[in-house]
Amino acid sequence: GQNIDQPTEMTATEGAIVQINCTYQTSGFNGLFWYQQHAGEAPTFLSYNVLDGLEEKGRFSSFLSRSKGYSYLLLKELQMKDSASYLCAVLNDYKLSFGAGTTVTVRA
Amino acid sequence: DTGVSQDPRHKITKRGQNVTFRCDPISEHNRLYWYRQTLGQGPEFLTYFQNEAQLEKSRLLSDRFSAERPKGSFSTLEIQRTEQGDSAMYLCASSLADNTYEQYFGPGTRLTVT
Repeated sequence: GQNIDQPTEMTATEGAIVQINCTYQTSGFNGLFWYQQHAGEAPTFLSYNVLDGLEEKGRFSSFLSRSKGYSYLLLKELQMKDSASYLCAVLNDYKLSFGAGTTVTVRA
Repeated sequence: DTGVSQDPRHKITKRGQNVTFRCDPISEHNRLYWYRQTLGQGPEFLTYFQNEAQLEKSRLLSDRFSAERPKGSFSTLEIQRTEQGDSAMYLCASSLADNTYEQYFGPGTRLTVT
């Protein structure tokens, strides 16, 4: 089975940094993804990790430790438009298994 | 091609009616996926096509659900005898077979069964 856990909600101030943790236990692993989803919209791809370590893309970074079944998404210099749900997903062959998502609220 | 498109965006139907949704993937993508998302949850895998072949169906896909991709391009998802529990967002995604790690999602069809 697939078990992917992430916090339900997080709140941070504009300009700050927020770290969203994700732990997973899955029957297979071909990579870990982070998606951003604004209310009522489609998930959009943010990052992909297949090897251990940190991947940086602008204000967003993602980290993976396969031995620990752990990933985090780091959002820096938060902006109001970053208020959204952030989905952690594990790829097994071609299927994505998603966590329930973390709703991030950015306050002025 | 601007991305994955889905039609309709919203559908309200009465319990017991049949509904059909359409997904048009990114034109060169040969893999197509259907997911279902309920409020407060992440998307759940329903089924997957490579070209016109349906290669896997989730246990979530009861016999009231059927999906097709007749020419390996667009796909349809039909739900027969809808139930209130079918109310959800139905998301379609597509990818290249050699680039599976990035699935591009459409805007979804929100189904409400009354």
